[in-house]
Amino acid sequence: DAGVIQSPRHEVTEMGQEVTLRCKPISGHDYLFWYRQTMMRGLELLIYFNNNVPIDDSGMPEDRFSAKMPNASFSTLKIQPSEPRDSAVYFCASRGTLGLYTDTQYFGPGTRLTVL
Amino acid sequence: AQSVTQPDIHITVSEGASLELRCNYSYGATPYLFWYVQSPGQGLQLLLKYFSGDTLVQGIKGFEAEFKRSQSSFNLRKPSVHWSDAAEYFCAVAPGGYSTLTFGKGTMLLVSP
Repeated sequence: DAGVIQSPRHEVTEMGQEVTLRCKPISGHDYLFWYRQTMMRGLELLIYFNNNVPIDDSGMPEDRFSAKMPNASFSTLKIQPSEPRDSAVYFCASRGTLGLYTDTQYFGPGTRLTVL
Repeated sequence: AQSVTQPDIHITVSEGASLELRCNYSYGATPYLFWYVQSPGQGLQLLLKYFSGDTLVQGIKGFEAEFKRSQSSFNLRKPSVHWSDAAEYFCAVAPGGYSTLTFGKGTMLLVSP
């Protein structure tokens, strides 16, 4: 398996532009998570999905952020409009469910976003 | 809500020396506990996890961790550090039957020759 795939790996954009980050989870995993990592705040959970349905989006910082999961193999995180304080590394992770014991969260390599 | 404290922001260890990274958690019951490692420019990789049973957990790359309920701790250890272990280490906690992880702020490990 190729693991969790994220694209792009790096994104540089100007303030006010729309940014779309993409994630392909591991096949067969039914949970998908979006995290943001910054020096100041560490790793923060933004939103997670179970079976393509958003379960908890309380970590999404503002209405400028939105996430979708149209099918089991694809998710997007969109920022519109972007601001310099959105600069961070964004990670996608996925996880399966093994009966009574839940599986490990596997992380993608991340997208480093810089908003100028 | 659960929380995780990693009291050491940076640790420097000589190559070949032993290592212990500290992790304390706050949670009402026994949580699920994890250690992840992040190399520069990479995503997080799971080192080991504790769900139940034996409180001494073995992981990959020669790491182990011990769950101590009385101290609310889950410290990571390695008997002999290699230069390739230089990375940032994250402790994480989740409630039983977990859905989400709460991460500590991380400890950066530097390995000196």
